[in-house]
Amino acid sequence: GAVVSQHPSRVICKSGTSVKIECRSLDFQATTMFWYRQFPKQSLMLMATSNEGSKATYEQGVEKDKFLINHASLTLSTLTVTSAHPEDSSFYICSARDVGNEKLFFGSGTQLSVL
Amino acid sequence: GNSVTQMEGPVTLSEEAFLTINCTYTATGYPSLFWYVQYPGEGLQLLLKATKADDKGSNKGFEATYRKETTSFHLEKGSVQVSDSAVYFCALRYSNSGYALNFGKGTSLLVTP
Repeated sequence: GAVVSQHPSRVICKSGTSVKIECRSLDFQATTMFWYRQFPKQSLMLMATSNEGSKATYEQGVEKDKFLINHASLTLSTLTVTSAHPEDSSFYICSARDVGNEKLFFGSGTQLSVL
Repeated sequence: GNSVTQMEGPVTLSEEAFLTINCTYTATGYPSLFWYVQYPGEGLQLLLKATKADDKGSNKGFEATYRKETTSFHLEKGSVQVSDSAVYFCALRYSNSGYALNFGKGTSLLVTP
């Protein structure tokens, strides 16, 4: 089946540094990718919708200057957490929509810990 | 707003036990409803779905019925296996949401031999 590769699976960084998370569709093209965040014991919350070749659409309350999203190709979207702080520590998951059959596929997630 | 509430975990069952994971939703209109499963170290995978009232989704022995009158989409399986140990997410989606999903918090299931 279709696979979405999300990397890294776990990252620990110092406060004030930036972290980039990659989401790659391995065997299909994805014009749309979604980025979710999950705090402990909370729901997966949609952060933004990423469309290839255009600016991402952010959900209310999500700072676009802090969470930079780039979707420069049909198989890759990146989320950069800029100047990370401990409150950004969370589980981040990407999802990609297959252009061919409109199915959604998920990455395995990235656990970000900011010290 | 739209939201999904599912039962708190973790749920621990013995092999061959009956499983129910409750899911209720709050939404206007008629969303599509989904159950996703996440096995350890893997991404979420679609388990089953239902797109309209009274539809029953089923897959791998799991099933769930879209109940509009009770706004519920409970997941059931008659006889669980150790390999069913995973986290289960209930979710809803509107057709005009661009395929974005509203998720519940997830319910962790552990099946013991």
